[in-house]
Amino acid sequence: QSALTQPASVSGSPGQSITISCTGTSSDVGGNNYVSWYQQHPGKAPKLMIYDVSNRPSGVSNHFSGSKSGNTASLTISGLQAEDEADYYCSSSTSGSTLLFGGGTKLTVL
Amino acid sequence: QVQLQESGPGVVKPSETLSLTCSVSGGSIRTDYWSWIRQPPGKGLEWVGHIDYIGSTNYNPSLRSRVTISVDTSKNEFSLKLTSVTAADTAVYYCARGYRRTWIAYDYWGQGTLVTVSS
Repeated sequence: QSALTQPASVSGSPGQSITISCTGTSSDVGGNNYVSWYQQHPGKAPKLMIYDVSNRPSGVSNHFSGSKSGNTASLTISGLQAEDEADYYCSSSTSGSTLLFGGGTKLTVL
Repeated sequence: QVQLQESGPGVVKPSETLSLTCSVSGGSIRTDYWSWIRQPPGKGLEWVGHIDYIGSTNYNPSLRSRVTISVDTSKNEFSLKLTSVTAADTAVYYCARGYRRTWIAYDYWGQGTLVTVSS
């Protein structure tokens, strides 16, 4: 199983919105509603930001949102803040009851 | 507040077995799914596998022939064994708890432990 495809990097200025894509296949992203997104700051463990495509765990800011269309899921961060600068990873369950991660996207806040 | 702490050797020789333990505090291991996830230096996350409290497991197909995850409910901990390691297994290994009693998202993570495969 290959990793889900994410852009290597995205950037935006404070206050702007950015979107990170996560592309898979009908056997993973396109075949279920179990896509999650994680934020990882350098040297830290990942933090769950979105689960089940578009749901936020308690305590996660509402300027993070998720969506999905076909085999591609997306994470949108609106009103970019300096502290949003981090690596972001998507994950999806698969038809084989395993979990796939994306390759990761480095977000730079200009 | 659930806390997870990985422990084990930081260096393992090639062809030997990597063994790590994750100690869970602030919650019972009997109610959730528990996973190992690894991250090679400078690279992305890779799901290794998961276990539930009764011992049912599922593993990454690329590692399935070499990996075993087990649980010890009496100690509130679970473990990872990866046999026949090579340099490609060098990574930070995280243990994590499945969110809302599933294995498809993870809300609590250990701090991670770096395991280097080197002679």
